[in-house]
Amino acid sequence: EAGVAQSPRYKIIEKRQSVAFWCNPISGHATLYWYQQILGQGPKLLIQFQNNGVVDDSQLPKDRFSAERLKGVDSTLKIQPAKLEDSAVYLCASSLEGGFTEAFFGQGTRLTVV
Amino acid sequence: DQQVKQNSPSLSVQEGRISILNCDYTNSMFDYFLWYKKYPAEGPTFLISISSIKDKNEDGRFTVFLNKSAKHLSLHIVPSQPGDSAVYFCAATRGSSNTGKLIFGQGTTLQVKP
Repeated sequence: EAGVAQSPRYKIIEKRQSVAFWCNPISGHATLYWYQQILGQGPKLLIQFQNNGVVDDSQLPKDRFSAERLKGVDSTLKIQPAKLEDSAVYLCASSLEGGFTEAFFGQGTRLTVV
Repeated sequence: DQQVKQNSPSLSVQEGRISILNCDYTNSMFDYFLWYKKYPAEGPTFLISISSIKDKNEDGRFTVFLNKSAKHLSLHIVPSQPGDSAVYFCAATRGSSNTGKLIFGQGTTLQVKP
């Protein structure tokens, strides 16, 4: 079974530029998560999708971050414009559905904003 | 609002001894708890979970204990091996809701010395 795929693995951009991350979840997984992990901290939930609907985006900085999950499969997370404090690892995860199931993570995208 | 807390940033144990990692939570609606292990440059991988109807779950060298009244869980690793050296994250969710958010603690870095 293929795991959660994320791209790119690494990205370096200047502040005020835009960037997009892509995630392909495990086939059949209804729930998709985007997390931000700043060095030395735990993953912070940015947005959670159930199929192609948003379950929670309460911690997504909506003035600069956006995410979509077209057709309930792939997802993209965009930052525009980027700030220095957005430097972090962005993790995508998926699960069969929320509830008593574990989430499987991709390898993450390490973003450095200079 | 840190709903899941891991108060020990790091732990060092000798190979063959027991490792005990602790986690506290504040939201009484959480009823499903998970432990993840993370190596550098990789995404977190699922280790073991427990639902609130149990107070113990065991899988090989790994055992998770849940104390609902204290809102506390712990992960025991016996015996500890050098390959267990990693960052361990505790996570919690409302398993009884298929749209429950998956919230992580800050992580504990475990070092197992040969």
